[in-house]
Amino acid sequence: DAKTTQPPSMDCAEGRAANLPCNHSTISGNEYVYWYRQIHSQGPQYIIHGLKNNETNEMASLIITEDRKSSTLILPHATLRDTAVYYCIVRVAGNTGGFKTIFGAGTRLFVKA
Amino acid sequence: GAVVSQHPSRVICKSGTSVKIECRSLDFQATTMFWYRQFPKKSLMLMATSNEGSKATYEQGVEKDKFLINHASLTLSTLTVTSAHPEDSSFYICSAPDGGGYGYTFGSGTRLTVV
Repeated sequence: DAKTTQPPSMDCAEGRAANLPCNHSTISGNEYVYWYRQIHSQGPQYIIHGLKNNETNEMASLIITEDRKSSTLILPHATLRDTAVYYCIVRVAGNTGGFKTIFGAGTRLFVKA
Repeated sequence: GAVVSQHPSRVICKSGTSVKIECRSLDFQATTMFWYRQFPKKSLMLMATSNEGSKATYEQGVEKDKFLINHASLTLSTLTVTSAHPEDSSFYICSAPDGGGYGYTFGSGTRLTVV
């Protein structure tokens, strides 16, 4: 079973920040939070990951609460091309061939003009 | 970054025939690959874990004889849908742990339509 819960859908105005929440209350100490997104009829694309510190890259920022039970993915200036399904996943990091990645339902983000 | 090449991207086949889908890891070795199935507007469902040099591990409810998985080398895994039926029509996606900190790299997916 997926270890995360996310809202099924969200809307965001183009140019505004999109804040996508994720609950992972049963996360273990060695599990990272990963975010992927899937644009229609494509394979999932990596966005960002983190353990306990906030992270930022060219695509997004990841804010993880101090107790690590939830996190928020922030797309600072959403564009129409950011319309996709966003998946929050928790798992052990590294070349963990033995660890399966189980997807939850994700959040369908609609960016509107 | 790491790339997983998956093909074909689209295939249409007749009922009763078999279809093979290939996934190759480019520029990195993948001792393990994962195969997912996705129905329209649904999330990815893990079907099986492919292991180089040993038998694949299937998730509960997935028919081993229907979905044959072979991990022939450190860079190639194949999924063969045997005796395909219309209900096997779906989007199939593979992934591999890339060891580069990005977790898993996914193929671009294969849309299978059985007519």
